[in-house]
Amino acid sequence: KNQVEQSPQSLIILEGKNCTLQCNYTVSPFSNLRWYKQDTGRGPVSLTIMTFSENTKSNGRYTATLDADTKQSSLHITASQLSDSASYICVVSSYQAGTALIFGKGTTLSVSS
Amino acid sequence: DTGVSQDPRHKITKRGQNVTFRCDPISEHNRLYWYRQTLGQGPEFLTYFQNEAQLEKSRLLSDRFSAERPKGSFSTLEIQRTEQGDSAMYLCASSSPQANTEAFFGQGTRLTVV
Repeated sequence: KNQVEQSPQSLIILEGKNCTLQCNYTVSPFSNLRWYKQDTGRGPVSLTIMTFSENTKSNGRYTATLDADTKQSSLHITASQLSDSASYICVVSSYQAGTALIFGKGTTLSVSS
Repeated sequence: DTGVSQDPRHKITKRGQNVTFRCDPISEHNRLYWYRQTLGQGPEFLTYFQNEAQLEKSRLLSDRFSAERPKGSFSTLEIQRTEQGDSAMYLCASSSPQANTEAFFGQGTRLTVV
């Protein structure tokens, strides 16, 4: 069964600190992996998209890594800001599932001052 | 506006009523998706269109749900005889035909069934 598991479920950090969110998947065959940021009551916004051959990709203070062998990904946030408070969702696309995106449940990040 | 647009943003309806939501994708995107998201959960896939053809439907899409994309542009999602369990955020996304391209999401329609 195609699944995407994220950890931790929630996280609280102080402004300025770094954090790392984890994503494990069992989706096969693998097409690509995406990280989305979703503010409360809003639609998800894409942060990064990584294909099989990409190990790391950065978008400002966000850096995503992908290990396609172990089927793991991480999202590292550097020097967190209050505006980083949101849900971060790992999404995997599989060719076998058509082009449907398989979503994790997300990690809720709260950045406090 | 060049983003994905959804209407309405919020809908409150009585149990048993029918509701219809609209999604206008980014104009050059031929792929359109509907997702449902409940509180504290990630979005769950409902259905997918490529142009006007509905190519994939989730088992979550019961016979009370129907989606259309008659001209390959905007799409509608109708829920008949709404139940309280239908209360959720309904998200629409669109993407271009190329592989490994971004899917852009709309702001969603928040449905509350009372």
